[in-house]
Amino acid sequence: AQRVTQPEKLLSVFKGAPVELKCNYSYSGSPELFWYVQYSRQRLQLLLRHISRESIKGFTADLNKGETSFHLKKPFAQEEDSAMYYCALHPSGNTPLVFGKGTRLSVIA
Amino acid sequence: DTAVSQTPKYLVTQMGNDKSIKCEQNLGHDTMYWYKQDSKKFLKIMFSYNNKELIINETVPNRFSPKSPDKAHLNLHINSLELGDSAVYFCASSPTLNSPLHFGNGTRLTVT
Repeated sequence: AQRVTQPEKLLSVFKGAPVELKCNYSYSGSPELFWYVQYSRQRLQLLLRHISRESIKGFTADLNKGETSFHLKKPFAQEEDSAMYYCALHPSGNTPLVFGKGTRLSVIA
Repeated sequence: DTAVSQTPKYLVTQMGNDKSIKCEQNLGHDTMYWYKQDSKKFLKIMFSYNNKELIINETVPNRFSPKSPDKAHLNLHINSLELGDSAVYFCASSPTLNSPLHFGNGTRLTVT
């Protein structure tokens, strides 16, 4: 069965410090992975997807098939990065997106 | 020009009542979804419709019934509300089932 694990419920970092939000997945096929973000009182929105290999708001994520990971990283955290972050896996076929339980990032000034 | 809009934003009701949440998307997407976000912020798929047809129906009590009158709308009707139904319900849409999702703002349902 497909599974997405985000081991940290809460991650607190100081402004300017590096951030790494961990995500591990369990899927036997070729996965498509995403990070979604939910700022306070706002809708969930797509942050980035692994096939785009782009950097959004300074965040990057690299798919590591050997470690089955898709960690989200940013070299210097900003206060406005404080939000809930969800890692999500899209299996193939008519199977919906599977979300991890989310990690709340708190950036302290 | 909100892409995915849900109404109402907040819904407070008593146990045993029946309520509906409406969702509309103006993105021309074929696929629409309902997700439930519980108090621990865990997101779980409930239903998915593609071109008005139900394609995903996860383990959800049959008190929950989705209705898709057309491709742009997916409403959620809940009968005999229970305390455990209190959550934030998110509607979402995507061009196809394999595309990234566009979410609505959520409906916070509180059952007292």
